[in-house]
Amino acid sequence: GQQVMQIPQYQHVQEGEDFTTYCNSSTTLSNIQWYKQRPGGHPVFLIQLVKSGEVKKQKRLTFQFGEAKKNSSLHITATQTTDVGTYFCINTNAGKSTFGDGTTLTVKP
Amino acid sequence: DGGITQSPKYLFRKEGQNVTLSCEQNLNHDAMYWYRQDPGQGLRLIYYSQIVNDFQKGDIAEGYSVSREKKESFPLTVTSAQKNPTAFYLCASSRRGGGNTEAFFGQGTRLTVV
Repeated sequence: GQQVMQIPQYQHVQEGEDFTTYCNSSTTLSNIQWYKQRPGGHPVFLIQLVKSGEVKKQKRLTFQFGEAKKNSSLHITATQTTDVGTYFCINTNAGKSTFGDGTTLTVKP
Repeated sequence: DGGITQSPKYLFRKEGQNVTLSCEQNLNHDAMYWYRQDPGQGLRLIYYSQIVNDFQKGDIAEGYSVSREKKESFPLTVTSAQKNPTAFYLCASSRRGGGNTEAFFGQGTRLTVV
């Protein structure tokens, strides 16, 4: 897969605040997937985006795929302590999946 | 109960020894993957296989070997040539390897080489 850069690497928020993580690529992405890894756990699939400008929502989570398909974002509204973990974006191309470095979210109650 | 199983959860080995990590899936998935994760870092792809009897090197294949003799199994051998083998190893599978399909991960094996 093509290299994707994720920012920020770490984010500390107060419970109830919003949180956003961004994935950026220098080349057009065929698709992007988002995963969440809880501390000590394994990555769990959240969603896949394929279409230009696509927006998908899962309760307090909103996922966007840029118009040029070079960037994506995950926004969490009103964070809760259960949101803690590392959020990864990945791109899969020709069978090869490449993870970004992830954004680690900590939530202060 | 369908899923992907890695064993063991924790593994200790002496330096210079080869060690094989097990990964089995009963999801009938064609594609399987091995990743390495170091503390505070992302996942790096070691090897991947899109179909039985075929596999490709990922980004950090040196010092590792794999086989894919059966669809449900994709064992990873960490050889003595791997200079820094202590890490968390994750195996994953997906319905097909061409993308656009969700990957399911095992619980991981934490390997410590002393």
